Amino acid sequence: ETGVTQSPTHLIKTRGQQVTLRCSSQSGHNTVSWYQQALGQGPQFIFQYYREEENGRGNFPPRFSGLQFPNYSSELNVNALELDDSALYLCASTLGGLAGIYSGANVLTFGAGSRLTVL
Amino acid sequence: TQLLEQSPQFLSIQEGENLTVYCNSSSVFSSLQWYRQEPGEGPVLLVTVVTGGEVKKLKRLTFQFGDARKDSSLHITAAQPGDTGLYLCAGTYFLSGSARQLTFGSGTQLTVLP
Repeated sequence: ETGVTQSPTHLIKTRGQQVTLRCSSQSGHNTVSWYQQALGQGPQFIFQYYREEENGRGNFPPRFSGLQFPNYSSELNVNALELDDSALYLCASTLGGLAGIYSGANVLTFGAGSRLTVL
Repeated sequence: TQLLEQSPQFLSIQEGENLTVYCNSSSVFSSLQWYRQEPGEGPVLLVTVVTGGEVKKLKRLTFQFGDARKDSSLHITAAQPGDTGLYLCAGTYFLSGSARQLTFGSGTQLTVLP
């Protein structure tokens, strides 16, 4: 399987609810990171996982949590949804850790995102 | 918090014109990447620059990393409608230990009119 697949593509929730977003990475991609992209803005780093362990977190509250599974899939969970959580959530993966990305040796591949609307 | 500022925020030009997009930070980054994002899709990597003063060319696109590794520019020659999209710069910095993260700029929305 090639590429990064995210689901659902669109969803609508109400304030206070919980949501789980899913990401299926390319086989062998042991590093995954999640980003929140508000309309008209650049992506904001939420957290990243390397070999199923959290390996860095951005400035997001604990109600944003994640999991990475052995089959190269991952989840982003958001509890107690707020109106400001409305955004495009992007998953990105790469092979062999993040150092290769920053040297240009590896490529960070993004999914098309899950568009969350909180009413 | 590491911040990347991109300018201009919006740019609308005619086909065939040249343009430059800027990415500036008060922080030194170990490397910097440029991405392009089209509606309904995730960002796609265009280039990674690592060395201060480095210049990379990708067909009509020229990328430059500042000598002090705090700024970068993207120059497009003879823009085409297919160049339309959101251009994002992203710098890397260390969180702790070996963990690193990408910090994205706010983006430049480019529209090339036929």
